[in-house]
Amino acid sequence: QQQVKQSPQSLIVQKGGIPIINCAYENTAFDYFPWYQQFPGKGPALLIAIRPDVSEKKEGRFTISFNKSAKQFSLHIMDSQPGDSATYFCAALYQGGKLIFGQGTELSVKP
Amino acid sequence: GAGVSQSPSNKVTEKGKDVELRCDPISGHTALYWYRQSLGQGLEFLIYFQGNSAPDKSGLPSDRFSAERTGGSVSTLTIQRTQQEDSAVYLCASSSRAYNEQFFGPGTRLTVL
Repeated sequence: QQQVKQSPQSLIVQKGGIPIINCAYENTAFDYFPWYQQFPGKGPALLIAIRPDVSEKKEGRFTISFNKSAKQFSLHIMDSQPGDSATYFCAALYQGGKLIFGQGTELSVKP
Repeated sequence: GAGVSQSPSNKVTEKGKDVELRCDPISGHTALYWYRQSLGQGLEFLIYFQGNSAPDKSGLPSDRFSAERTGGSVSTLTIQRTQQEDSAVYLCASSSRAYNEQFFGPGTRLTVL
């Protein structure tokens, strides 16, 4: 019940495409849903986050869509660029401090 | 300002040895977290400190793992009698308080031979 399931495991898109990464959860006690971007050899960096009382949030080219009733949320990257090639993790915050992470999606944006 | 820093960046040790990993959080952050990242298990929560409260140790995989936070700032994660399955990247994060954005350090890559 503490799991966050993320798909797909890997994704290849052309420059300008719109990759979509999906996550699903079961525990309704989760109350904050961040997305992290990680480059090789670096720690994860917060990209964008949403709380369950909001259905959509946009920051620059990144958008989170949140469906509370379905317990699903997704990340869309508009006009993707080769520099967006990284591993993306969704997460859910539990009991105030624990981030429960999805399995990660390795995104490759081809020029 | 400076971000979360961790040392060493890489640590190679022999099976059975003890190791200490250090984390310096962002100045003023009251909450500090340790996570482990490995190929097989992904990113896993280990332990969480918030102010002067007792730490949440629910993610520590065995009693060989312990952590302390001195003076509400620097934290040390200690692994005793290391095993090969302990090989992973150990990540530290801090936040201004619980429920706030967690900022991650670059991690310590631990290799147990």
